[in-house]
Amino acid sequence: ETGVTQSPTHLIKTRGQQVTLRCSSQSGHNTVSWYQQALGQGPQFIFQYYREEENGRGNFPPRFSGLQFPNYSSELNVNALELDDSALYLCASSLRGQGTGTQYFGPGTRLLVL
Amino acid sequence: AQKITQTQPGMFVQEKEAVTLDCTYDTSDQSYGLFWYKQPSSGEMIFLIYQGSYDEQNATEGRYSLNFQKARKSANLVISASQLGDSAMYFCAMREVYMNTGFQKLVFGTGTRLLVSP
Repeated sequence: ETGVTQSPTHLIKTRGQQVTLRCSSQSGHNTVSWYQQALGQGPQFIFQYYREEENGRGNFPPRFSGLQFPNYSSELNVNALELDDSALYLCASSLRGQGTGTQYFGPGTRLLVL
Repeated sequence: AQKITQTQPGMFVQEKEAVTLDCTYDTSDQSYGLFWYKQPSSGEMIFLIYQGSYDEQNATEGRYSLNFQKARKSANLVISASQLGDSAMYFCAMREVYMNTGFQKLVFGTGTRLLVSP
């Protein structure tokens, strides 16, 4: 069974640039959620994708957007990067409609905006 | 809205001892789920244990157990026989369900840093 993978592991960007982060869900999972974790804080929910559509969103502006593909992998796109976007971005996959709905996380992408 | 409170910024324990990490929650839902995750310095959130609000027994997974006290709205994590590899951040989280769309998200606490010494 393949776990959740994310790429890249680290990324450095400058203000105003755009970034794309990628996530491959765990085998058999159909739902992907994205979280932002600032230094010293708990993860904050960005949005969730199910059946290739966004079906839930946290308190993040529209410049945070995403995609889910037919193989359930996902992308997080952030436009017009700001310094406060520097954080660890975590992707989690789960199986909707069965069991406890436990979310399993990938290793994260550390984004630094200069 | 649901809220998770972890009041211990840091905990210190000696190897082979047991340690309890505190978590209290606030919700008006009757059905909910509580999770504990471990986050080593590498950053990955590792799922440890789950407790459903209707589960009659406290959850256990190896050296991890959850002391669930529903009336007090607490879900403390107990780690028995601590090991050096247990040193990490520990997060308590609650599942928030939106019935109109069916989607679920996790609401996290601020975490507790556990340091295990030899």
